[in-house]
Amino acid sequence: EDQVTQSPEALRLQEGESSSLNCSYTVSGLRGLFWYRQDPGKGPEFLFTLYSAGEEKEKERLKATLTKKESFLHITAPKPEDSATYLCAALETSGSRLTFGEGTQLTVNP
Amino acid sequence: DSGVTQTPKHLITATGQRVTLRCSPRSGDLSVYWYQQSLDQGLQFLIQYYNGEERAKGNILERFSAQQFPDLHSELNLSSLELGDSALYFCASSVAPGPSYGYTFGSGTRLTVV
Repeated sequence: EDQVTQSPEALRLQEGESSSLNCSYTVSGLRGLFWYRQDPGKGPEFLFTLYSAGEEKEKERLKATLTKKESFLHITAPKPEDSATYLCAALETSGSRLTFGEGTQLTVNP
Repeated sequence: DSGVTQTPKHLITATGQRVTLRCSPRSGDLSVYWYQQSLDQGLQFLIQYYNGEERAKGNILERFSAQQFPDLHSELNLSSLELGDSALYFCASSVAPGPSYGYTFGSGTRLTVV
């Protein structure tokens, strides 16, 4: 069965303090690894898709990377508005839907 | 606005009742996915429809059912409601049968069963 595990469950940072979130996945063949941002009471908002090991994608202060077993979401010099829950999801080669991890709740204090 | 519309936004109902949640996918998207998100669990996949046909089933209870209509909107029916059914219910859509490029999510329906 596909499994996606995220760590840490929660992370508190000071504004400007860079860090990384981890997403490890167990699927028989990965077709894509997705990152979403979710604000409280709202639907997840798409951030990135990574398709192959070694791939990297960037958007403002966020950079996502992918290896054969895990993905990292690096946050550089975060701001309070980056506070949210970050979800990763895996799509198996023969899969028809995304399997989500439980998320990392990020809080950035001013 | 993501383009995926879910109604109602909030729903409060009593145990044993039945409710219907509605989702209109983004224009041009043929696939609709339903997910449940509880406080103590992540996003749990319920069911997927593609162009009116059921395509994949996840951890959907027998008390729950769904359908996709010819105009591509979808409805999730929840019956014999229990307190544990209280959750956020999300609909997502994609253009293809599978989410190779990811989903677009709606803003959800918050269901409270009292």
